Amino acid sequence: DTAVSQTPKYLVTQMGNDKSIKCEQNLGHDTMYWYKQDSKKFLKIMFSYNNKELIINETVPNRFSPKSPDKAHLNLHINSLELGDSAVYFCASSQDLNEQYFGPGTRLTVT
Amino acid sequence: GQNIDQPTEMTATEGAIVQINCTYQTSGFNGLFWYQQHAGEAPTFLSYNVLDGLEEKGRFSSFLSRSKGYSYLLLKELQMKDSASYLCAVKTQAGTALIFGKGTTLSVSS
Repeated sequence: DTAVSQTPKYLVTQMGNDKSIKCEQNLGHDTMYWYKQDSKKFLKIMFSYNNKELIINETVPNRFSPKSPDKAHLNLHINSLELGDSAVYFCASSQDLNEQYFGPGTRLTVT
Repeated sequence: GQNIDQPTEMTATEGAIVQINCTYQTSGFNGLFWYQQHAGEAPTFLSYNVLDGLEEKGRFSSFLSRSKGYSYLLLKELQMKDSASYLCAVKTQAGTALIFGKGTTLSVSS
């Protein structure tokens, strides 16, 4: 029983395309997150979201948008993909502001 | 700005003890976390400190000094499987995401 799951695990696509990454958590947590980990392994927050508030890291381009159909899901949509978007994207969730549980990651490669 | 510093790489031998330091300068403080990340895998939670002092959990311990903006992760009786990246992260305010350091890659040799 996977606590936080992401699909797909690998995504290879061309510049200019639009793609989505899905995330689901079955922990009943109230807050979900998207992180980006670059080639230097630096993990950086992109978005945090609960059912009341979306907090966007100001450095994230507006080509990236989170969409939450319900409390257990937070999907990431990326428009007009660029080479620099290549990275591993991690979804995470937490309850009561404590430890975050991470999904397995989605390795995005833009060619 | 937010700044979290930790050494880039460390090496140690099996059975030894290693201490990974982390210093932080952030706009607020609401807790410090340590995560372990094996290559190609997701980060997994190791420890959480919000008050000064030492938290012990098996072979791993974590220490925090809020006045010094300093934490360390202590790994005892090192095993080969401890070879991984160790990420220090700070929560600056309640309800916000974590700010991560760049991670320390630990290599354990026999």
